[in-house]
Amino acid sequence: GAGVSQSPSNKVTEKGKDVELRCDPISGHTALYWYRQRLGQGLEFLIYFQGNSAPDKSGLPSDRFSAERTGESVSTLTIQRTQQEDSAVYLCASSLEGGMPNYGYTFGSGTRLTVV
Amino acid sequence: GDSVTQMEGPVTLSEEAFLTINCTYTATGYPSLFWYVQYPGEGLQLLLKATKADDKGSNKGFEATYRKETTSFHLEKGSVQVSDSAVYFCALRDLGDDMRFGAGTRLTVKP
Repeated sequence: GAGVSQSPSNKVTEKGKDVELRCDPISGHTALYWYRQRLGQGLEFLIYFQGNSAPDKSGLPSDRFSAERTGESVSTLTIQRTQQEDSAVYLCASSLEGGMPNYGYTFGSGTRLTVV
Repeated sequence: GDSVTQMEGPVTLSEEAFLTINCTYTATGYPSLFWYVQYPGEGLQLLLKATKADDKGSNKGFEATYRKETTSFHLEKGSVQVSDSAVYFCALRDLGDDMRFGAGTRLTVKP
């Protein structure tokens, strides 16, 4: 697509429920990133996918968080047994190729998750 | 490892004032440098970039020059508008590495 698409744009869930967030990157972008942004804060790296390589999961805050990506297409971020501290905007970004300094990231508009 | 430090906000200016947001970096290689802007309720958008020393990135009246000698990439605009109110992120990306973002600087421009 023309840009990075994220869905849903807003999600309100009850504490303890599982949620699934979706990211559709720009076609041809091999690298895909997930970030968390708490209210008024900077970006917190969560996970990075590059092509068919094993993902870099070093930023996932707990085992309640997981993410998948099929090839170079859609990615889903799943949060199990949500907690109130999971409330944040979850941003997805894609890049033409990981590790190449000239390429910037293109971000989606984010999913605002509220856990009540 | 590589890192970016940008001035803390918030920054509040009157319309038509001059803007500077400082950004300095630490890198082992020869990174590209970026400024991203995040308007309220939106994701980050690339504002400008520079890929080598002495390059100047510019867009929408904003400018930043890649200064290797001072390891800086300060963002400037000669006359800000209310519509420039946003959070600005400085970032760098080195070969073989992911983007490293600064903490962000919130700018509010008052009419």
